[in-house]
This record gives sequence, structure tokens and C-alpha cells, in this order.
Amino acid sequence: TQLLEQSPQFLSIQEGENLTVYCNSSSVFSSLQWYRQEPGEGPVLLVTVVTGGEVKKLKRLTFQFGDARKDSSLHITAAQTGDTGLYLCAGNTGGFKTIFGAGTRLFVKA
Amino acid sequence: EAGVAQSPRYKIIEKRQSVAFWCNPISGHATLYWYQQILGQGPKLLIQFQNNGVVDDSQLPKDRFSAERLKGVDSTLKIQPAKLEDSAVYLCASSSPTGAASSYEQYFGPGTRLTVT
Repeated sequence: TQLLEQSPQFLSIQEGENLTVYCNSSSVFSSLQWYRQEPGEGPVLLVTVVTGGEVKKLKRLTFQFGDARKDSSLHITAAQTGDTGLYLCAGNTGGFKTIFGAGTRLFVKA
Repeated sequence: EAGVAQSPRYKIIEKRQSVAFWCNPISGHATLYWYQQILGQGPKLLIQFQNNGVVDDSQLPKDRFSAERLKGVDSTLKIQPAKLEDSAVYLCASSSPTGAASSYEQYFGPGTRLTVT
């Protein structure tokens, strides 16, 4: 059974702090997505990473795909209250299959 | 471009009753997914359609859950009879299988929050 483990499960920080969340697996993925989900809404796509070692930036968010395409990280610089939410990673295997991690719940305090 | 539509947004039923959820994907998206998300957890895939054919229903509890996508567009997920442990958010998503990495990018509806009492 393929699993995607996300850590930490929960993170509470002050506005302005930096943070990193991780997504790890023993499986190799052809690509991987990060989503953010706010209460009462469905997940919203943030980014797709495809190439091992790839780094993508989205304003204050930096996403990295591991060299072996088994892991990924999301770094947020100077967190804002609007960053609060559930961050989900999703790994893609062959046959158009995707597995989701359990998520990291981030709370940014003003 | 209109997003994924789901209805109802909320539903409260008693155990052993039946319930149905509806989803209309983004126009032109051939792949449609139904997920169950229990509070505090990530989405769990229930069923994946490619047009009107089932790609994966390995985690669908087929004794009580059923889903159809008859014309390859909108879809219905049914639970009959419902159990207390079915209380969750049911998410519908769609994607467009172009063969590239973007094929896996899923666009989610707002979900239906089901409470079984």
C-alpha cells in the first residue's frame, strides 16, 4: 500500500514566522501536487512539481520536490493569518492514480 | 470558467436512511472523482470515473455506496443505508486527462457535509 506521510500534523505559529512542512513516501511519484483547504471549502491547487530536485516559488511559498521524487517540502516565509488552512500533498502514480496525505493543519496567529 | 458544482452543501439524516449527492464537473473534464474526508484527515478516494467508465472503486463500500456517471458529465453518489461512521464531507473533483503532469491536477467542489444521527 502506497502511503504519503505529512509532518507535522499540526502547526501553530505567530504571524511573521517561517515554517516548513514535509511530505514523505517510500514510493516514487511521477509528479506531486500541493493543495490548501480552508474550512468549509474544497482543496485548492497550489502547485505541481514534476522533476526531481525541482523548486517552485509562489510568492512567499517555496515548494521542493526531492531528487528521488519520493518526498517534497513546502516552506512559507513570513507567514500571514491568511495562510491558515490544511495543506495537503498528493502524489501521482501510473494509471492516473493519486494518493493524498493526511495533511498539515496550519494556524497562524495575529 | 465555472468550477465544480456540488449539491446539497449540507445534509442531516438518521442512520439507516438513504442520501444522494450530486456533482457537475468543470466542462470538458473527462475524469471525475468522489472523495470522503473525515474531520482532521485527508481525502480518501471512493471512486474515479473516466468519462462514464469506472477507473478505480477499490475503496468504495459497495454494500452501501453506489455512484454513477451515466452520460459522462455529471455524477451522483448514493449511500443506502447510512451509518453513523458515514458522517463526513463528500468532495467531488474533476481533471482533464491530457497525458501531461497537469492531468493529475484536480479541481474540487465545495463538498457536501453529511451528518448521520
